Order: sequence, then C-alpha cells, then structure tokens
Amino acid sequence: GIQVEQSPPDLILQEGANSTLRCNFSDSVNNLQWFHQNPWGQLINLFYIPSGTKQNGRLSATTVATERYSLLYISSSQTTDSGVYFCAVIMSGTASKLTFGTGTRLQVTL
Amino acid sequence: NAGVTQTPKFQVLKTGQSMTLQCAQDMNHEYMSWYRQDPGMGLRLIHYSVGAGITDQGEVPNGYNVSRSTTEDFPLRLLSAAPSQTSVYFCASSYSGTGLSGNTIYFGEGSWLTVV
Repeated sequence: GIQVEQSPPDLILQEGANSTLRCNFSDSVNNLQWFHQNPWGQLINLFYIPSGTKQNGRLSATTVATERYSLLYISSSQTTDSGVYFCAVIMSGTASKLTFGTGTRLQVTL
Repeated sequence: NAGVTQTPKFQVLKTGQSMTLQCAQDMNHEYMSWYRQDPGMGLRLIHYSVGAGITDQGEVPNGYNVSRSTTEDFPLRLLSAAPSQTSVYFCASSYSGTGLSGNTIYFGEGSWLTVV
C-alpha cells in the first residue's frame, strides 16, 4: 500500500513563531487532506488539497503532486495550535481508502 | 444537527468478551468508516461503507465486524476482544462522490477501549 511519512515527528515552538510541516507520499494520489487533532483527541479537517495551494487564516497548505509531497504552513503560532497534525491520502485508483501518516506533534509554548 | 455521535466514550472489556461500538450521523452521509488509533501512530482504517447494505474491509479488519442497515448507523462489533484491540476508535462520515474527493470528513469524538 501507499506509504505516508510526516516530518518532523515532534516540534516545539514559542508563541508567534512560524513552522512548516511536511508530508511525503510514495504513490500518486487523488485526494490529500490535512487534519488537526487537538489535545482532547478531537479531529478537525483543515484542508482538502490534492494539488496547488490553499490558505485559511494563519494556515496554508501546498501540494506538489508530481513530486509527491505536501507542506502545511502555520504562521504566528498560538497555543491553541498545539496538538497533532495528520496528513491523509487516497491513492489513485483506490476510492474511499484514506491512509494516514504518523503525524507531527506540535507544542506551542508561551 | 449532532454530527457524528459515538458511544460509549470509555469501555473496559475482559479478554474474550464481545461488544459493539455505536456510530450514528445525522447528516445523511453515504460514506462512513471506522479507524483505530494506537499510541504514536496515525489512524488505520478498519472497515468502511459507501452506503446502506455495502461494506468493505480496510487496512486492519481482523477481529472486527460491521454492518450498515441504515444510512445513519454504522456499528463496529468486536466478537471476542483481545488485548491487541486496546485502542482509541474513531468513526467518520462524509458525502461520498468520486472517492471522497473534496468532501469534508467529520469525525466522532472517539471511543477509548481497554481490553484486559
């Protein structure tokens, strides 16, 4: 099956700092999504981004499908950004099977 | 509109016991799925359904059964619980179209299961 690797596995930031999270995948995909899992375990969909660039407030994401990676940018981080960020993909030709990466754990400190 | 509702939130089972994790959604979503999340790992797909009466296996289906008799409900059954099934379980739903493309996936709040 498709492999999804995320880096870095852990990240500690001071409030106000910027960060870039990376997701590499091993095969062509027709669906890529970023999720945030907050410290209480709740999973929230951030972006659907199989290609191109999207922005939502302080967050933005870019996927370069031909090179099989996606980046999630967090600017001016806040303590509420803490949690685990997951990238998940659906490999082309395998409808409905969403495969998750192992995540990047982010801690934002005051 | 309650979204995706999972019950129970916490459960302790003895090895060999059976139980059902309930999942319900009120958004008329065709697609529903179950994932398990183990420490330090991402979510792994157990089973999924693209509509009432249609189910299929995911990445880690062994030890779990599902059925989809209605659009709203997608229960996950553990027939004979094992310690390896200790995990956090998440149910998710979305509109299905062409392989979830562009559809927001809504997750339940999770069910913490411990098998002793």
